[in-house]
Amino acid sequence: QIALKESGPTLVKPTQTLTLTCKLSGFSLGTTGEGVGWVRQPPGKALEWLALIYWNDDKRYSPSLKNRLTITGDTSKNQVVLTMTNLGPVDTATYFCVHSWKLVGYYFDYWGQGSLVSVSS
Amino acid sequence: AIQLTQSPSSLSASVGDRVTLTCRASQDIDTDLAWYQQKPGEGPKLLIYDASRLKSGAPSRFTGSGSGTDFTLTVSGLQPEDFATYYCQQFKSFPLTFGGGTKVQIK
Repeated sequence: QIALKESGPTLVKPTQTLTLTCKLSGFSLGTTGEGVGWVRQPPGKALEWLALIYWNDDKRYSPSLKNRLTITGDTSKNQVVLTMTNLGPVDTATYFCVHSWKLVGYYFDYWGQGSLVSVSS
Repeated sequence: AIQLTQSPSSLSASVGDRVTLTCRASQDIDTDLAWYQQKPGEGPKLLIYDASRLKSGAPSRFTGSGSGTDFTLTVSGLQPEDFATYYCQQFKSFPLTFGGGTKVQIK
């Protein structure tokens, strides 16, 4: 049973760096085809894709945020970490960790429950 | 980036109704489209992938169709648990993009 669980701070100050961790269960990022990504959703707004990492360390980023994002995978801990620098109020959102199976397409068949991050001084 | 436009942004319907949601892409995406359902306070759930393939375990009253730039999600016989917001997502090319969503409300 595939499951993903996000963890991280609930409140971050402007200009600080956000680090979110996604713990994986039911699969390993070290397995061919497996991928994990991040999608965020500001309160009351639509979904926005942020980043993806695959088993072969292929990484993709949203062009609008590429300069601020880093996604890394740790197969020993079976987790994925997303860091976002220089946060501002517009980054207030629920951040979802998602599973992707590259061999069939870049869509997301499992989602975490989400981690709400507020950016405020 | 490929833009996805969903319509309507919201609709009101009754239990048992048949409803059709639309997603239009700004360029040809073949059938590289997924549909998700999101209920308040929850993460989205995949319903349809490859424009028309129903995810295992998803109710058969959900039907996806379309190719190229125009896609639809039809719910045949709305159930109380179907009142939610629905999003389409294209995976033809990066950056991956989502539509703005359609909220299905109870009439």
